[in-house]
Amino acid sequence: DIQMTQSPSSLSASVGDRVTITCRASQSISSYLNWYQQKPGKAPKLLIYAASSLQSGVPSRFSGSGSGTDFTLTISSLQPEDFATYYCQQSYSTLGTFGQGTKLEIK
Amino acid sequence: EVQLVQSGAEVKKPGESLKISCKGSGYSFTSYWIGWVRQMPGKGLEWMGIIYPGDSDTRYSPSFQGQVTISADKSISTAYLQWSSLKASDTAMYYCARRGGGPPHTLDYWGQGTLVTVSS
Repeated sequence: DIQMTQSPSSLSASVGDRVTITCRASQSISSYLNWYQQKPGKAPKLLIYAASSLQSGVPSRFSGSGSGTDFTLTISSLQPEDFATYYCQQSYSTLGTFGQGTKLEIK
Repeated sequence: EVQLVQSGAEVKKPGESLKISCKGSGYSFTSYWIGWVRQMPGKGLEWMGIIYPGDSDTRYSPSFQGQVTISADKSISTAYLQWSSLKASDTAMYYCARRGGGPPHTLDYWGQGTLVTVSS
């Protein structure tokens, strides 16, 4: 199984801040890395696919980068609606494992 | 419009059996993998397993192998997740999700979730 490790597990930030979340795979997954946002009581929502492609309708303040084993999700200027939990997920294998999540909280 | 609609919340006792469902519509159900994801209260997303309804090819994450059964009935475009003997630790929200085409094979559509509560 491919293991995905996210950091940090939680993060406090203010509106307008730039934040970065990292995700590391236990083996190379090329660019088969996706990012999801989940708000309380809701299903996850796809933000970024193939490491750096923005899903339709997602604001451009979200961006992704990386390949191989190391990836990042960056939010350039936090908005109130961005406070949520973020998950990376590898889709290199059919059983696409998730990172443990990063909870982004208001400072 | 692609939709995955899951069955409603369940309250069960330990030892009971349960089968929850996920009905797909708006796309060719037999052409995409459907996965199941567990989210225990206050915890992260855990990949349980996945099925290809076209030929019922099924894969399980090691942690869930032997603990649940995933199946599909392509005649009614529905995938299932079932337990033969529930435990209190099965209390969680369960999501189904479609594994999109590609690459990149994202989980592009999700069901609304089914809350399973197991309590004596």
